[in-house]
Amino acid sequence: DTGVSQNPRHKITKRGQNVTFRCDPISEHNRLYWYRQTLGQGPEFLTYFQNEAQLEKSRLLSDRFSAERPKGSFSTLEIQRTEQGDSAMYLCASSFIGTANYGYTFGSGTRLTVV
Amino acid sequence: DQQVKQNSPSLSVQEGRISILNCDYTNSMFDYFLWYKKYPAEGPTFLISISSIKDKNEDGRFTVFLNKSAKHLSLHIVPSQPGDSAVYFCAVNNNNDMRFGAGTRLTVKP
Repeated sequence: DTGVSQNPRHKITKRGQNVTFRCDPISEHNRLYWYRQTLGQGPEFLTYFQNEAQLEKSRLLSDRFSAERPKGSFSTLEIQRTEQGDSAMYLCASSFIGTANYGYTFGSGTRLTVV
Repeated sequence: DQQVKQNSPSLSVQEGRISILNCDYTNSMFDYFLWYKKYPAEGPTFLISISSIKDKNEDGRFTVFLNKSAKHLSLHIVPSQPGDSAVYFCAVNNNNDMRFGAGTRLTVKP
């Protein structure tokens, strides 16, 4: 297992377009998290899944954002009608239940630029 | 709501000296505190954590101290090495909820 994988690494899109990012977590991990990081800030929590169930969503996750984890394995994060304020690094992380206090494993992120 | 604050955006130290990174939090109910390290173009990497029932945890050159009465934790790196140059985030974990500080950029000069 090579860790948490995120694709694409970079995405440039025009305002108003839809984008979708993919995250492949560590295969044994049952929890998957999405974070967003903007310049000069720490990662901000967006949502998390336990297996295929989405258990929590931040108020940062507007109705233009949707995340899925259909079979409890990989996850997708879609942003509809992108805005310039959506430009950020989108990070995915995974962990086991009960070991999250020992740290999540993060992917390298997808950098989104909305022009 | 800023539950975790890192008030120093940057820190520069000489190789071989001690680096001390600081973090303050607001909620005394947090039960685990973590430090992550981030290199450019990579995701954060877990470094070390401490439970709220302890006041110190050590792992090689890295030691985390927790002062619950002051709601303060710190990360000590001794001795500092140039490869430690990175952004360091403190984070708090309470059940399913992890919150990060804004980070401190550490530069270790040879």
